[in-house]
Amino acid sequence: DAKTTQPPSMDCAEGRAANLPCNHSTISGNEYVYWYRQIHSQGPQYIIHGLKNNETNEMASLIITEDRKSSTLILPHATLRDTAVYYCIVRVAWGGSEKLVFGKGTKLTVNP
Amino acid sequence: DTGVSQDPRHKITKRGQNVTFRCDPISEHNRLYWYRQTLGQGPEFLTYFQNEAQLEKSRLLSDRFSAERPKGSFSTLEIQRTEQGDSAMYLCASSPHRLAGGRAYNEQFFGPGTRLTVL
Repeated sequence: DAKTTQPPSMDCAEGRAANLPCNHSTISGNEYVYWYRQIHSQGPQYIIHGLKNNETNEMASLIITEDRKSSTLILPHATLRDTAVYYCIVRVAWGGSEKLVFGKGTKLTVNP
Repeated sequence: DTGVSQDPRHKITKRGQNVTFRCDPISEHNRLYWYRQTLGQGPEFLTYFQNEAQLEKSRLLSDRFSAERPKGSFSTLEIQRTEQGDSAMYLCASSPHRLAGGRAYNEQFFGPGTRLTVL
């Protein structure tokens, strides 16, 4: 699976959009971009994933650049409950290893 | 959907003792995973089951570790002769792995974890 690079920490004001970047310059054509988050003392939680088109669900939006070498997770109106470590993971959806390879992620702190 | 459950939530043991953890996945999920997480690090993959078959194991899973999923439902993770370095959060996840509308949905749903402390 391709390697990802994320900033170790970010801050965001409550009610504002949180934009979390991820670089995955070695991504291959059959690899998806997944985002998970882990709130303190809980198991990771799936947020969203995509291949090349932008995706949106009730939790977040995922913007993937045209060359697919980077992506941005957007939390449109961050709340204090969004304070968590956010992991960007690149993996093959079918036919490859089933494991998720977590890095250290980005620690997002939402401030009141 | 009651989510993935794990038991116990916390376990304190003395070095050299054996411990066993249980994971109950979401009922219709045929895929089950174990991960380990130490302080300040992301989770690390240990092993994966599809139904009752153990299909992938990490080299982190030494011979003191064994995992089973005998009937393709719940799973157990046993650690024999525990060491202080085994202290960690042990996470279980399950996955439906389905394809719908040309899009792959194999997101993993995690349980709350079992925190192991080896004294």
